Amino acid sequence: GNSVTQMEGPVTLSEEAFLTINCTYTATGYPSLFWYVQYPGEGLQLLLKATKADDKGSNKGFEATYRKETTSFHLEKGSVQVSDSAVYFCALVNTGNQFYFGTGTSLTVIP
Amino acid sequence: GAVVSQHPSWVICKSGTSVKIECRSLDFQATTMFWYRQFPKQSLMLMATSNEGSKATYEQGVEKDKFLINHASLTLSTLTVTSAHPEDSSFYICSAMRTGGYNEQFFGPGTRLTVL
Repeated sequence: GNSVTQMEGPVTLSEEAFLTINCTYTATGYPSLFWYVQYPGEGLQLLLKATKADDKGSNKGFEATYRKETTSFHLEKGSVQVSDSAVYFCALVNTGNQFYFGTGTSLTVIP
Repeated sequence: GAVVSQHPSWVICKSGTSVKIECRSLDFQATTMFWYRQFPKQSLMLMATSNEGSKATYEQGVEKDKFLINHASLTLSTLTVTSAHPEDSSFYICSAMRTGGYNEQFFGPGTRLTVL
């Protein structure tokens, strides 16, 4: 079956620290992988995506590389800001266009 | 482009009443829309897949008579929570898949439902 496992939070970092949020997946075939961000009281916003192995998605300083050999799609950012405080969801889409979400990782960045 | 709106953004209702939530794709056509439910500090749970002009497909464990979905046009899907009870209180999020798009879904901002 299809599933996504994310590292549990919450994660608290100081401003300008390095961020890594781990995400691994289980899927049949060749899924597309996504990171979504949810700010308090809002819906999900697409942060970045990758559609095939070795693709790197990037946006707003965030990066994630589709690693088929380790079935991973870890999210990284070199220097976080207070405005990055949010909940981050890893997700995959396989055939059928159904999204499978991880449980989300809450990030708080303190000045 | 690719904006999805939801209305209302929040609603409070009395137990036993019905509530309708609208999901609209504002600048694209969406043959398929999805309805999710999110509990506090938890992930999104897919409730149903809504296809324009046909019956919705519900996930296992979701009561189709309680959560009525109508996808009447290529830009509008509605979720009606019938005879709402406090346990139905949740954050409901829809997403729309652009017609002809591949794995390209756009999420609405969500609707906070509180049942007293």
